[in-house]
Amino acid sequence: DIQVTQSPSSLSASVGDRITITCRASQSISSYLNWYQQKPGKAPKLLIYAASSLQSGVPSRFSGSGSGTDFTLSISSLQPEDISAYYCQQSYSTPFTFGPGTKVDIK
Amino acid sequence: EVQLLESGGGFVHPGGSLRLSCAASGFTFTNYAMSWVRQAPGKGLEWVASISGGDGNTFYADSVKGRFSISRDNSKNTLYLQMNSLRAADTAVYYCAKDRVVRGVMGAFDYWGQGTLVTVSS
Repeated sequence: DIQVTQSPSSLSASVGDRITITCRASQSISSYLNWYQQKPGKAPKLLIYAASSLQSGVPSRFSGSGSGTDFTLSISSLQPEDISAYYCQQSYSTPFTFGPGTKVDIK
Repeated sequence: EVQLLESGGGFVHPGGSLRLSCAASGFTFTNYAMSWVRQAPGKGLEWVASISGGDGNTFYADSVKGRFSISRDNSKNTLYLQMNSLRAADTAVYYCAKDRVVRGVMGAFDYWGQGTLVTVSS
């Protein structure tokens, strides 16, 4: 099975800051990496698919990059509504695996 | 508008069974793979199972293989998860999720239901 790790596990930043979350796969997964946002008590929401493609309706301040084993999710200017948990997920092969999540809050 | 509505969750004793349903609308159900993803209280996301759209190929996490069965009724636009031999570790909110593209099981989930809670306890 492909293991997926994320860092940091949590971060606190100011409104307007640029933040970056890192995801690493235990083997090469090409660009089969997706990012989700989950607010408390809500279902996850797809932000980025195929490592760098922005899902329809997602604000352009979100971006993704990477290929192979190392990936990043960036928010160019953190907004109060971005307070959430963020999960990466590999879709290269089953079992599809999620990272443990990164909790983002406002400083 | 795509909508996914889960039902069937509840309280069950260890060793018991439950069947979850997910009613889909707003898209051509038969064209898309569908999946179940769960989240234990306070924990992260765990993929459970997927089923392809047309031919109904199924895939399972090792943690549920042999105990859970995913199926679909394309005539009713409904996804199911039959859960047998339930354990305390299966306690979670169960989400159904739609694959993003018209193809086999690709694993990028663009729409999710609101979730249904399954509690397994003695």
